[in-house]
Amino acid sequence: GAGVSQSPSNKVTEKGKDVELRCDPISGHTALYWYRQSLGQGLEFLIYFQGNSAPDKSGLPSDRFSAERTGGSVSTLTIQRTQQEDSAVYLCASSLGPGSTDTQYFGPGTRLTVL
Amino acid sequence: GQNIDQPTEMTATEGAIVQINCTYQTSGFNGLFWYQQHAGEAPTFLSYNVLDGLEEKGRFSSFLSRSKGYSYLLLKELQMKDSASYLCAVRVDRGSTLGRLYFGRGTQLTVWP
Repeated sequence: GAGVSQSPSNKVTEKGKDVELRCDPISGHTALYWYRQSLGQGLEFLIYFQGNSAPDKSGLPSDRFSAERTGGSVSTLTIQRTQQEDSAVYLCASSLGPGSTDTQYFGPGTRLTVL
Repeated sequence: GQNIDQPTEMTATEGAIVQINCTYQTSGFNGLFWYQQHAGEAPTFLSYNVLDGLEEKGRFSSFLSRSKGYSYLLLKELQMKDSASYLCAVRVDRGSTLGRLYFGRGTQLTVWP
């Protein structure tokens, strides 16, 4: 597609369950980012993939969070044993990579609610 | 870390001009972005500055002073649809980390008729 897509758009889960969030970046974009945004808050960086380099995981809040990017394209963010404080909108963005202006384009987000 | 500050809220009337300021302190600075985010939607790209000066794009302009760690977004001829949160983001290239953006908390702009 023309833009970044994410699925599901909404996810309601029970505390303690695992969830997987998916991101399809713009075709040809080598960089992919995950952020989360709690109500009324700014964007919190989670993880950054650039080409075949090791990802920058410095923003992951705990070891319950992990992400992978298969084939340099689709990415999955996994949250294990979800907690209520994990409730937020999870945004994915992609860009051409650091050799360019590197504008990040965002997907519509996944709204996660942990009951 | 990075310190990126912008006002929390601003209000203005339709047809007016508003300036949203952003200050930052960081090493490895390599550009500043402004994004617009309507409630319940994803951020959308507005502007990018890496050199000092003013970039104009229709009703929106963005200014950067690298020496002062300062940027502003200028919105002219305000319309109701401009009511949104405006996010300032600084690109940091440092060590092996290239292209990472650090976002401010956003400025919620309300445009009144």
